[in-house]
Amino acid sequence: DVKVTQSSRYLVKRTGEKVFLECVQDMDHENMFWYRQDPGLGLRLIYFSYDVKMKEKGDIPEGYSVSREKKERFSLILESASTNQTSMYLCASGNSAVAYEQYFGPGTRLTVT
Amino acid sequence: AQSVTQPDIHITVSEGASLELRCNYSYGATPYLFWYVQSPGQGLQLLLKYFSGDTLVQGIKGFEAEFKRSQSSFNLRKPSVHWSDAAEYFCAVGPTSGGYNKLIFGAGTRLAVHP
Repeated sequence: DVKVTQSSRYLVKRTGEKVFLECVQDMDHENMFWYRQDPGLGLRLIYFSYDVKMKEKGDIPEGYSVSREKKERFSLILESASTNQTSMYLCASGNSAVAYEQYFGPGTRLTVT
Repeated sequence: AQSVTQPDIHITVSEGASLELRCNYSYGATPYLFWYVQSPGQGLQLLLKYFSGDTLVQGIKGFEAEFKRSQSSFNLRKPSVHWSDAAEYFCAVGPTSGGYNKLIFGAGTRLAVHP
């Protein structure tokens, strides 16, 4: 079974803090994705990566950055957390040979106070 | 631009009743279509997918979906709902502009099941 793990299930941070969300997958997938999930808005893509050290902006990249130094790990960084970044963050990975099939982690619920 | 619409935000059904969750998409060519389920406190799990061929696709947990090109729809169905089906369901479509296996997700439908 594909396993995607995220470093924290719940996280509380203060406004202005730098926040790191970590995601690790164990299936040697090329593609990795970060989404945020908000009620009534579904999942919105923040950033994705199709290879080590490669990254592309998604639909809502403002206020976020990412890092992919190893194939299995994809980190989401909030440089200076703000209250409007309070959300559920979901990581996913996918094999580029199996079009569009993505496997999701359990999510991190981030609260910024 | 591609988009996905799930018209129903909340649906409540009785256990044992049939279920249909609606999904409409906007896309210029034949899309790849997906249904995912998110149980409380969990990530998303793939229920089924449509790429081509038979327009009625079977998935896990007894779910099926039918692709109707003329209606730009991909509705999810289950003949008899179980209490464990209470969850949020997301429809998704690909490919999207820029490739790289990106998906666009609908806003989700939250399903409640009454005993």
